[in-house]
Amino acid sequence: DAGVIQSPRHEVTEMGQEVTLRCKPISGHDYLFWYRQTMMRGLELLIYFNNNVPIDDSGMPEDRFSAKMPNASFSTLKIQPSEPRDSAVYFCASSLWDYNNEQFFGPGTRLTVL
Amino acid sequence: EDKVVQSPLSLVVHEGDTVTLNCSYEVTNFRSLLWYKQEKKAPTFLFMLTSSGIEKKSGRLSSILDKKELFSILNITATQTGDSAIYLCAVGGREGNMLTFGGGTRLMVKP
Repeated sequence: DAGVIQSPRHEVTEMGQEVTLRCKPISGHDYLFWYRQTMMRGLELLIYFNNNVPIDDSGMPEDRFSAKMPNASFSTLKIQPSEPRDSAVYFCASSLWDYNNEQFFGPGTRLTVL
Repeated sequence: EDKVVQSPLSLVVHEGDTVTLNCSYEVTNFRSLLWYKQEKKAPTFLFMLTSSGIEKKSGRLSSILDKKELFSILNITATQTGDSAIYLCAVGGREGNMLTFGGGTRLMVKP
């Protein structure tokens, strides 16, 4: 398996623009997680899905952020409009339903908002 | 709210030294504690500790879980420069497959 795939790997955009991050989880995994990592706040869970259904989005910073999972093999995280404080590395992770919770991370998308 | 605290925040040692990283937690319905290593990319899995497996060892790395005192330690013996990374502790609890991550310990191993 290729592991969790994310695109793009790097994104540089200007304040006010729409940004879409993409994730393909490991085939067969039924949980998908979006995280944001910054030096100041560490790794934060934004939202997670189970069987394509959003379960907990309490970590989503504000209405500018939205996430979708239209099918088991694809998810998007959208920021509209983007702001400089959104600059971070965004990770997608997936896991099986598993009592031991192990999650497998994608390579991340480094977002810079100018 | 689940909480995971790691210490120290950062650590600088020389090759060959032994280091101990700490992770304390408060979590509802504890299920597992995981250690990850993060170099320049994504976190990679090291260990998983559960009620049925409170001690793990892999080469120079070992970890224990104390469910009574609510903490875990990660030991690295005979450190190498390749061990330089951020080490993340995460705890699985309340619901689904969610993990709550600590802030990490940044380890630098000097030659």
